[in-house]
Amino acid sequence: AQSVTQPDIHITVSEGASLELRCNYSYGATPYLFWYVQSPGQGLQLLLKYFSGDTLVQGIKGFEAEFKRSQSSFNLRKPSVHWSDAAEYFCAVFSPGGGGNKLTFGTGTQLKVEL
Amino acid sequence: EAGVAQSPRYKIIEKRQSVAFWCNPISGHATLYWYQQILGQGPKLLIQFQNNGVVDDSQLPKDRFSAERLKGVDSTLKIQPAKLEDSAVYLCASSSGQGIYGYTFGSGTRLTVV
Repeated sequence: AQSVTQPDIHITVSEGASLELRCNYSYGATPYLFWYVQSPGQGLQLLLKYFSGDTLVQGIKGFEAEFKRSQSSFNLRKPSVHWSDAAEYFCAVFSPGGGGNKLTFGTGTQLKVEL
Repeated sequence: EAGVAQSPRYKIIEKRQSVAFWCNPISGHATLYWYQQILGQGPKLLIQFQNNGVVDDSQLPKDRFSAERLKGVDSTLKIQPAKLEDSAVYLCASSSGQGIYGYTFGSGTRLTVV
């Protein structure tokens, strides 16, 4: 069965500093990978997705993520964090299949931005 | 386009009471999902509909949870009777086709069982 691990529960960075959120996945085939962001009291918003091809994908709000098959990782990065980026970030893997296509989430990383 | 609509936004009930949540997906999206998000955890899929049929309900506690999507559009999730551990945010999402391009989520319903 597919699974996602986000090793960092909380991360604090200073505004303007760079950011990297870690994500490791477990899936038998070529994965479809996603990053979502959730602001307090809101639903999840899609930041970016990876299907195939270029392993560096660009998303909204200046975020990017790099797929590394050898490390089973899909880490999210941003060169310069803004205070408005404070939120919870979820990595997810999509598994198509006859029993129902399923999007499985990690436990999330809470990002705090210090001014 | 209008997003996924959910109501109510918040609900507080006593244990053993019943509660229902409503979701209206994006127009034209055939697939609808209900997720449960307990505080400090990632969302967990409860049930998935394709049009008005159930595709996956393997993680739905069927002794107390039920869901329907009668006309293949909006959906209702019910809990009866509620337990303290049902306190969570219930997220509805929809997708076109198989969902391979991602899901669109509603804002969720925050349920507190006291």
